[in-house]
Amino acid sequence: DTAVSQTPKYLVTQMGNDKSIKCEQNLGHDTMYWYKQDSKKFLKIMFSYNNKELIINETVPNRFSPKSPDKAHLNLHINSLELGDSAVYFCASSPTYDNEQFFGPGTRLTVL
Amino acid sequence: AQSVAQPEDQVNVAEGNPLTVKCTYSVSGNPYLFWYVQYPNRGLQFLLKYITGDNLVKGSYGFEAEFNKSQTSFHLKKPSALVSDSALYFCAVRDYYGNNRLAFGKGNQVVVIP
Repeated sequence: DTAVSQTPKYLVTQMGNDKSIKCEQNLGHDTMYWYKQDSKKFLKIMFSYNNKELIINETVPNRFSPKSPDKAHLNLHINSLELGDSAVYFCASSPTYDNEQFFGPGTRLTVL
Repeated sequence: AQSVAQPEDQVNVAEGNPLTVKCTYSVSGNPYLFWYVQYPNRGLQFLLKYITGDNLVKGSYGFEAEFNKSQTSFHLKKPSALVSDSALYFCAVRDYYGNNRLAFGKGNQVVVIP
């Protein structure tokens, strides 16, 4: 009965590889988000979708591409991984964009 | 653009003592304010929010926060801290007027000493 789930929980990969992180929410929310938390625990919004429409697209490298196949899913694909991409990536959802957000458990990405 | 300041890196408090985590904000319009808690190796959990109405907001786990418009503050408080309250606490703000972004503070590590 997990509300917001992410897979995988841990991802270790080599520089230059392409990887994806999947997120699903079973709360019936309209809005989903991707955040990046760096090693200093600073949290930064990357993308947000509302009803499958991209509404926030922060200044992130275009190697990062979100995709929302339906309202319950928001995936993150990363091309040509770099060392600086190592971080914890959190997916979140909310009923609308001005409600509190519910966070997934995070995906710890380590690029070697 | 909206922003949040959490001036302290770490807050140490003895178990049973009052706990306060400070937050000040900057927005161009009326703020939506939130507090979240993050336990080790977990996602953030919502504690409470202020949208409008009573300046004193009560939330989960016995926490409360007071909205002070003149001081642009939204400090988180708990009357009696528990060891299990040791975690990372984030304040966040969203501008009421159409900016969909939630800006988070840098977080405060709270350590409750038994």
